[in-house]
Amino acid sequence: ETGVTQTPRHLVMGMTNKKSLKCEQHLGHNAMYWYKQSAKKPLELMFVYNFKEQTENNSVPSRFSPECPNSSHLFLHLHTLQPEDSALYLCASSQEYAAGQEYFGPGTRLTVT
Amino acid sequence: AQSVSQHNHHVILSEAASLELGCNYSYGGTVNLFWYVQYPGQHLQLLLKYFSGDPLVKGIKGFEAEFIKSKFSFNLRKPSVQWSDTAEYFCAVNLLTYNQGGKLIFGQGTELSVKP
Repeated sequence: ETGVTQTPRHLVMGMTNKKSLKCEQHLGHNAMYWYKQSAKKPLELMFVYNFKEQTENNSVPSRFSPECPNSSHLFLHLHTLQPEDSALYLCASSQEYAAGQEYFGPGTRLTVT
Repeated sequence: AQSVSQHNHHVILSEAASLELGCNYSYGGTVNLFWYVQYPGQHLQLLLKYFSGDPLVKGIKGFEAEFIKSKFSFNLRKPSVQWSDTAEYFCAVNLLTYNQGGKLIFGQGTELSVKP
């Protein structure tokens, strides 16, 4: 049991679709993160939220739109994606921002057709 | 730009063999260091971490890592691997300067396959 859950676990979408990924953490943490994991590449940090405020946006294209309504929930809204956006999207949380030790969810395997 | 390098992309060992996975980072300041593991079909989980003190740290399942500051390295070791250690291993560095914000930077991962 990881304490960080993600839904859906798998998602196939067309380039014109709009979908959302959901993350929930049950650990009482204050910081939440979105990462992109592509084959044979390092994990890429996309967004960071600390106490619901976005603190990092690592030059992510606007077709990815994060939302953090509270410290326990994090969304990633997707629209007009490209096939190269197919990847595993990981959510993580940590007690404090910049504490280093992050707890990861199982990820959403996204395929863009 | 700061980076983390893992020397081996894929390592294949027989059970009971010794393991050492290399990790180097490029950053001259203060760091916290981590190894994460991702077993097949499972989520990333922390294997061990170094914040300060004894540079030889021990983690779960018999793993250990040694921080050598002069070499900017944090290599992962295990004296005798088991089939259940088959997984992907990620080194990560947390940069501790104000303007870096302490985000984690990951290496590209090393896939370990242990033959029974």
